[in-house]
Amino acid sequence: SAVISQKPSRDICQRGTSLTIQCQVDSQVTMMFWYRQQPGQSLTLIATANQGSEATYESGFVIDKFPISRPNLTFSTLTVSNMSPEDSSIYLCSVETPLEQYFGPGTRLTVT
Amino acid sequence: GQQVMQIPQYQHVQEGEDFTTYCNSSTTLSNIQWYKQRPGGHPVFLIQLVKSGEVKKQKRLTFQFGEAKKNSSLHITATQTTDVGTYFCAGKQGGSEKLVFGKGTKLTVNP
Repeated sequence: SAVISQKPSRDICQRGTSLTIQCQVDSQVTMMFWYRQQPGQSLTLIATANQGSEATYESGFVIDKFPISRPNLTFSTLTVSNMSPEDSSIYLCSVETPLEQYFGPGTRLTVT
Repeated sequence: GQQVMQIPQYQHVQEGEDFTTYCNSSTTLSNIQWYKQRPGGHPVFLIQLVKSGEVKKQKRLTFQFGEAKKNSSLHITATQTTDVGTYFCAGKQGGSEKLVFGKGTKLTVNP
């Protein structure tokens, strides 16, 4: 199993600022995933982060807007840059083990 | 783009009634996963199906994967108020490692 923690759990930010979300896993994992879930919606994959390499971004998401760091096998950060109200969402990190996929508790971001 | 369709979007049932949600992909899936998300919570993995025609049961929950590996269903027998939440299917299409989520079915159970 894997236990994932995220910081912060929620934040209210002003437009134009940036927020960095941290994700910590209690075991070493190769791939970490960052998802976005807008209110009442499904989950959309932002990017996949492998340790020691550049993150792979999905269509519609770019590194300048969502820079990701993956300094080791248990930790990753996602930054939401130059925020606008459209970035208000829940951001979740996730890891995959051979048996199942685990999600962190999420970071609820509100941009005003 | 890659899509996994899921219906219905909402389902309201009386406690004790059965519930089913369906997922459909236009392309073959290498596997299908099911998640439950309680209100205010995060998605929690329920099960993964890999084989064509596979059927798995977890107490009152029955999961099926179609013979063509393009569709799946989750059936809950005799719903309880603790079953409330949104149920998502998610699949990996073709040789991709990307997990594509359905839009989810929000289940409410009236006591």
